Amino acid sequence: GEDVEQSLFLSVREGDSSVINCTYTDSSSTYLYWYKQEPGAGLQLLTYIFSNMDMKQDQRLTVLLNKKDKHLSLRIADTQTGDSAIYFCAERYDSGYALNFGKGTSLLVTP
Amino acid sequence: DGGITQSPKYLFRKEGQNVTLSCEQNLNHDAMYWYRQDPGQGLRLIYYSQIVNDFQKGDIAEGYSVSREKKESFPLTVTSAQKNPTAFYLCASSAGQQNTEAFFGQGTRLTVV
Repeated sequence: GEDVEQSLFLSVREGDSSVINCTYTDSSSTYLYWYKQEPGAGLQLLTYIFSNMDMKQDQRLTVLLNKKDKHLSLRIADTQTGDSAIYFCAERYDSGYALNFGKGTSLLVTP
Repeated sequence: DGGITQSPKYLFRKEGQNVTLSCEQNLNHDAMYWYRQDPGQGLRLIYYSQIVNDFQKGDIAEGYSVSREKKESFPLTVTSAQKNPTAFYLCASSAGQQNTEAFFGQGTRLTVV
């Protein structure tokens, strides 16, 4: 698939907000996803947003979608050390139901 | 427990040998997927299957083969033709509809020695 772009690293202090950005490729993508991966483990779905929405909030997580710019962001409020992980943005491939992932953003939360 | 299980967690293979990675799900999902993860590369799609007895190549299928004889199972064979097989392999499944969550296994780390 075409590249889904994410910055590779982000470091924040505990208690601050984290914002992870993503640029996706397919303007016809109907659903966009954020997954979290802890070391040596599989991926866990954090949240997703439907393309007719601009924003979705789920507890400490806020997803913003700018369809015009094909830009997606994930904001984590009151970031904790347990939030340290790799975060992946994903869109669906054109055909089938497989997901096209970005390279992932490593979030490091320092005390 | 419902979920998706990959085995083994760690696997070592000698160069020139084929090896098969197991992926089983009891979620009654129609669709299953294999991804490869390398540091700094993110996840790349190897193969996917939307229904039993059918599967399609993903972006990096060369050197790999799969089968989907049962709904619950989607084994991946890494053949000797795969030039750089050392990686973390992730299996996933989903209900196969437009918006459904993909559930991931815990992964298999394959090392060629």
